[in-house]
Amino acid sequence: DTGVSQNPRHKITKRGQNVTFRCDPISEHNRLYWYRQTLGQGPEFLTYFQNEAQLEKSRLLSDRFSAERPKGSFSTLEIQRTEQGDSAMYLCASSSTGEGSPLHFGNGTRLTVT
Amino acid sequence: SQQGEEDPQALSIQEGENATMNCSYKTSINNLQWYRQNSGRGLVHLILIRSNEREKHSGRLRVTLDTSKKSSSLLITASRAADTASYFCAPRMDSSYKLIFGSGTRLLVRP
Repeated sequence: DTGVSQNPRHKITKRGQNVTFRCDPISEHNRLYWYRQTLGQGPEFLTYFQNEAQLEKSRLLSDRFSAERPKGSFSTLEIQRTEQGDSAMYLCASSSTGEGSPLHFGNGTRLTVT
Repeated sequence: SQQGEEDPQALSIQEGENATMNCSYKTSINNLQWYRQNSGRGLVHLILIRSNEREKHSGRLRVTLDTSKKSSSLLITASRAADTASYFCAPRMDSSYKLIFGSGTRLLVRP
């Protein structure tokens, strides 16, 4: 079990630029989640995949955010035209479909928009 | 809302003391999970308690669940400095695939 891997660990970008993050889940997990977390808050749900299908996207997520999981393995999260309010930790998690299956989280990508 | 609310928001104790954190929720659940997050890291699953269970133990952790009061508690016994972290509860509804997290309890264990 190599765990959930996220890259890069840190990203600093200028406002208006596009950024893309990658998540490699635990290989046998078919569920994949993206969360966003700001300082002092809990993780906020962004979107969810079962295999390659994106089954839910939070209404809080603007059209500048898009996520893909093309082959049901790794996933990417892209933010277009970044804003300072996008600065946060972006967490990826994966799980199996068994009842009560816990989420396994990566260590996140910390985005700073200047 | 499926979200759990943790209480207190912050807790500071001396090493060796016990730490108790509480969670309240509003919907009927299938299970409730507790997670820990160290600073700058992802969340780590600690323990799951099902709706038909009242108490569960794992090492120094004890979790209780009272579905009539829609509440749970996490007790960490004989705390250590390494237990310093944020703790989140996540109630899970029947057939729900996602977890919604509250703001957590920030635990500081002083050496």
